[in-house]
Amino acid sequence: AQSVTQLGSHVSVSEGALVLLRCNYSSSVPPYLFWYVQYPNQGLQLLLKYTSAATLVKGINGFEAEFKKSETSFHLTKPSAHMSDAAEYFCAVRRAPLVFGKGTRLSVIA
Amino acid sequence: GAGVSQTPSNKVTEKGKYVELRCDPISGHTALYWYRQSLGQGPEFLIYFQGTGAADDSGLPNDRFFAVRPEGSVSTLKIQRTERGDSAVYLCASSPGLAGQADTQYFGPGTRLTVL
Repeated sequence: AQSVTQLGSHVSVSEGALVLLRCNYSSSVPPYLFWYVQYPNQGLQLLLKYTSAATLVKGINGFEAEFKKSETSFHLTKPSAHMSDAAEYFCAVRRAPLVFGKGTRLSVIA
Repeated sequence: GAGVSQTPSNKVTEKGKYVELRCDPISGHTALYWYRQSLGQGPEFLIYFQGTGAADDSGLPNDRFFAVRPEGSVSTLKIQRTERGDSAVYLCASSPGLAGQADTQYFGPGTRLTVL
């Protein structure tokens, strides 16, 4: 069975600081991996996805993620946090539907 | 272009009542998904349509839940004899259905269901 684990239900960073949101996956086959962002009272928006091409994936809003097979990880990073990045972030692994982690709420402190 | 839309945005009902939640996918998308998101949790899969047929309904929690997509476009999620535990945000997503497992799913804003 495929699953994802997001370490840390809540991450707080200062504006301008590095953002690191952790995701580890479990998959018996090469996975397709996704990061989605959810702003309050809005639907999920795709940030980026890994589909077995380049292991470093660049997404929207300055986010990127690196697929590391040896660590079964797909952590999301952004060099400098903005206030507008405050949201809930979900990592997901794909079968036909998506299997989501429980999410990490990012707070950005001015 | 227009994204995935869901109606109503909010639905309050009483325990035991029947509700219908509607999803309008992006035009031309053949795949449609329903997920349920409870407070503080990630979305959980309910059912997946490819065209008019349910390709995978393994996420439906019990036989009170049913979904249809009669013409391969709009889908309706139906919940009978609602229970307080059904309270959640119900999310719909669609995808082009062309790239298999790599297909990007585009999500609607959700319907918040509250069962009193």
